[in-house]
Amino acid sequence: GENVEQHPSTLSVQEGDSAVIKCTYSDSASNYFPWYKQELGKRPQLIIDIRSNVGEKKDQRIAVTLNKTAKHFSLHITETQPEDSAVYFCAARRGNRDDKIIFGKGTRLHILP
Amino acid sequence: GAGVSQSPSNKVTEKGKDVELRCDPISGHTALYWYRQSLGQGLEFLIYFQGNSAPDKSGLPSDRFSAERTGGSVSTLTIQRTQQEDSAVYLCASSLARMNTEAFFGQGTRLTVV
Repeated sequence: GENVEQHPSTLSVQEGDSAVIKCTYSDSASNYFPWYKQELGKRPQLIIDIRSNVGEKKDQRIAVTLNKTAKHFSLHITETQPEDSAVYFCAARRGNRDDKIIFGKGTRLHILP
Repeated sequence: GAGVSQSPSNKVTEKGKDVELRCDPISGHTALYWYRQSLGQGLEFLIYFQGNSAPDKSGLPSDRFSAERTGGSVSTLTIQRTQQEDSAVYLCASSLARMNTEAFFGQGTRLTVV
């Protein structure tokens, strides 16, 4: 089955700097890669997703890149702000609707003042 | 419209007791997931329902865990003979049947086994 590895487990960056979180997946049939943000005590919420037919997607300060050959995808947050502090989860899913979403173990991002 | 609703929000139970956790998905969502999140940890997949297909139970950690989904809507996760290591937040999520669509999470049930 699918396995998603996520690094780093914890990341601290100065406010205003960029943050990068990296994930790898094992199943070459996976073609949907969402990213979720979970603030303390709250439920995970989707912040951006990418499908395998594109290599990059951007939404304001957030971007995701996908390298299908390497089975690697990354989340980039630019000009980080205090409200970016949270746990971020990457995930992967195959194209068959009977397949489940598998999450990485999460990255705890701290934005330092 | 209402989001994914889970009940109870918090549950404290004695070791060895059975518990039932409920999930009401968003209306029209045929896909339903259960995940477990231990304190400070990731999202551990438990079980996945999709329409009338047989559920994917590959993530259930032991035979003390079971889940059902009645009428393609409400789902119940049952844990029998609870153990202290079962203490965690149990999250339910639902999505549309279409491939590659967002999964919406409920607020979770915090289970504490004492």
